[in-house]
Amino acid sequence: KAGVTQTPRYLIKTRGQQVTLSCSPISGHRSVSWYQQTPGQGLQFLFEYFSETQRNKGNFPGRFSGRQFSNSRSEMNVSTLELGDSALYLCASSFRSGGSSYNEQFFGPGTRLTVL
Amino acid sequence: LAKTTQPISMDSYEGQEVNITCSHNNIATNDYITWYQQFPSQGPRFIIQGYKTKVTNEVASLFIPADRKSSTLSLPRVSLSDTAVYYCLVGVQNTNAGKSTFGDGTTLTVKP
Repeated sequence: KAGVTQTPRYLIKTRGQQVTLSCSPISGHRSVSWYQQTPGQGLQFLFEYFSETQRNKGNFPGRFSGRQFSNSRSEMNVSTLELGDSALYLCASSFRSGGSSYNEQFFGPGTRLTVL
Repeated sequence: LAKTTQPISMDSYEGQEVNITCSHNNIATNDYITWYQQFPSQGPRFIIQGYKTKVTNEVASLFIPADRKSSTLSLPRVSLSDTAVYYCLVGVQNTNAGKSTFGDGTTLTVKP
């Protein structure tokens, strides 16, 4: 089974621009989560999408948004980029069944965004 | 979601057993304990998950005492390739599985 894929792997933007990152989950997984990882703040949860609906949201400003398509692929968008948005953006997918057991998250390799 | 506390860093030598302890005093009744491993410039990778007592898989063991206020990840006979950051997660129920709260993690350095 193919793993989680993210595109692009590397991106350089300037302040004020906007960026769109893409994530393709593992086949059959309907939950996609996004995380931001920086040396200073560590791994922080951005949001989760399940069946095209945002189910959970972290504490990030409205400049960070996302969406999920009917094939479970997800995109996240960051508008009006700031220097502090430079980070590794990770996408994770999980099966997310309706039961009470934990559903392991499978992470992609990430997109390294640099804002100049 | 329960807060976790782990040592910031640990050093070990090849062939030794490494135990990383995580404190989670506010763990809820329905919470699971999960450990992830992350190598530089890669996404975290699931290692092991448990609810109580002991869980073992081909990679590691997880020891959870009866009060569940802490847990210990045990890596047998580590090698240089086990050098990574290890994260302990607690409070990740199914309904919040997609909203994992990662703490600061423990940077394990394995030396030859």
